[in-house]
Amino acid sequence: EPEVTQTPSHQVTQMGQEVILRCVPISNHLYFYWYRQILGQKVEFLVSFYNNEISEKSEIFDDQFSVERPDGSNFTLKIRSTKLEDSAMYFCTTVGGVNTEAFFGQGTRLTVV
Amino acid sequence: AQTVTQSQPEMSVQEAETVTLSCTYDTSENNYYLFWYKQPPSRQMILVIRQEAYKQQNATENRFSVNFQKAAKSFSLKISDSQLGDTAMYFCAFTRSNFGNEKLTFGTGTRLTIIP
Repeated sequence: EPEVTQTPSHQVTQMGQEVILRCVPISNHLYFYWYRQILGQKVEFLVSFYNNEISEKSEIFDDQFSVERPDGSNFTLKIRSTKLEDSAMYFCTTVGGVNTEAFFGQGTRLTVV
Repeated sequence: AQTVTQSQPEMSVQEAETVTLSCTYDTSENNYYLFWYKQPPSRQMILVIRQEAYKQQNATENRFSVNFQKAAKSFSLKISDSQLGDTAMYFCAFTRSNFGNEKLTFGTGTRLTIIP
């Protein structure tokens, strides 16, 4: 079965440091998303990406966040200067198109200390 | 904006019993898609079941079924013959489109514990 792969599975970083979370989407999928889940809370939408540009972003996705797909395969989420409140599970999801489900990666647990 | 509400933060049930998790949503759309996701302790998100709003027939997947009441904007999940492996967080989710180009909106989740 096809799967979305996220790396790393867990990252600990110092406050103020930059982090890059990586996602390898399922081949031929078109739509890419990042979601965030603070421990014990609901899953929140961050950003959607299609045709090499952002389609939609939430209020959470401020200037500290960026996404790109530099080599046509990896889909990355960058946080420029991490804050304590960025500690969360980050999920990448990809969707193939019409009438297909969203495939979730296994998540990256980010801990900012 | 769409909202999804899960009013049961926690539930527990004896193994082999049936349990129903509640979900209500608010939208002005006529056609949309609803989902239940399971999140075990590993925190992986697993799709349990989906329902298209234009379909009157309730979706079923083995021991999992939904009661979709469009007029009431209600979408409950019934788990029959519950098993220990069903212990997890369950999230109800909504999207406006079937084309893949719309985000998912999640409820706050229900923590389900199956008691041996």
